[in-house]
Amino acid sequence: GQQLNQSPQSMFIQEGEDVSMNCTSSSIFNTWLWYKQDPGEGPVLLIALYKAGELTSNGRLTAQFGITRKDSFLNISASIPSDVGIYFCAGQRGTYKYIFGTGTRLKVLA
Amino acid sequence: GAGVSQSPSNKVTEKGKDVELRCDPISGHTALYWYRQSLGQGLEFLIYFQGNSAPDKSGLPSDRFSAERTGGSVSTLTIQRTQQEDSAVYLCASSSRDRIYEQYFGPGTRLTVT
Repeated sequence: GQQLNQSPQSMFIQEGEDVSMNCTSSSIFNTWLWYKQDPGEGPVLLIALYKAGELTSNGRLTAQFGITRKDSFLNISASIPSDVGIYFCAGQRGTYKYIFGTGTRLKVLA
Repeated sequence: GAGVSQSPSNKVTEKGKDVELRCDPISGHTALYWYRQSLGQGLEFLIYFQGNSAPDKSGLPSDRFSAERTGGSVSTLTIQRTQQEDSAVYLCASSSRDRIYEQYFGPGTRLTVT
């Protein structure tokens, strides 16, 4: 099925560094969600974005709904080892169906 | 409060056998989704239930797949005559009517077809 493009696909960072990842599409979306998935578990909702240009924070996480409505960004500040996992974006376009990104695998080196 | 629960957590079955996967959504959530996640991949939409409305089955990959939701709560995903390509993690999610766009996921069922 259709998927959103996420980048980077994977990244190794040092503990304490800031992390940025993004999700892009050729289509416009009305809602963006960001999830984190730990091994062997289901995705956990981190942030939901509903308006173009919206910037929302959840602790050390900040996400933005791109002004063109075709992209979204997630930043993690001062990363810690428990940030390791796979981060997925999901875009919704006028219905209840979401299209999910391909995921960014984050590994944090202590 | 209790989140979305799924059972079994792991299922190993022989090719050709039928399997049933269960999802118990968050209490009061009217919407329920099933997704499939193959190894290292994103989530593939399978089916959507909303209250008593007819489900959206457009994501089911073949007629071997079916799902029911009884009493607007628990859902069962059935895969008949399983094939090796059905091996994946099957995830269930639910959402409330007033925050319909925020889906909450269960831990998934890892299905392995040998």
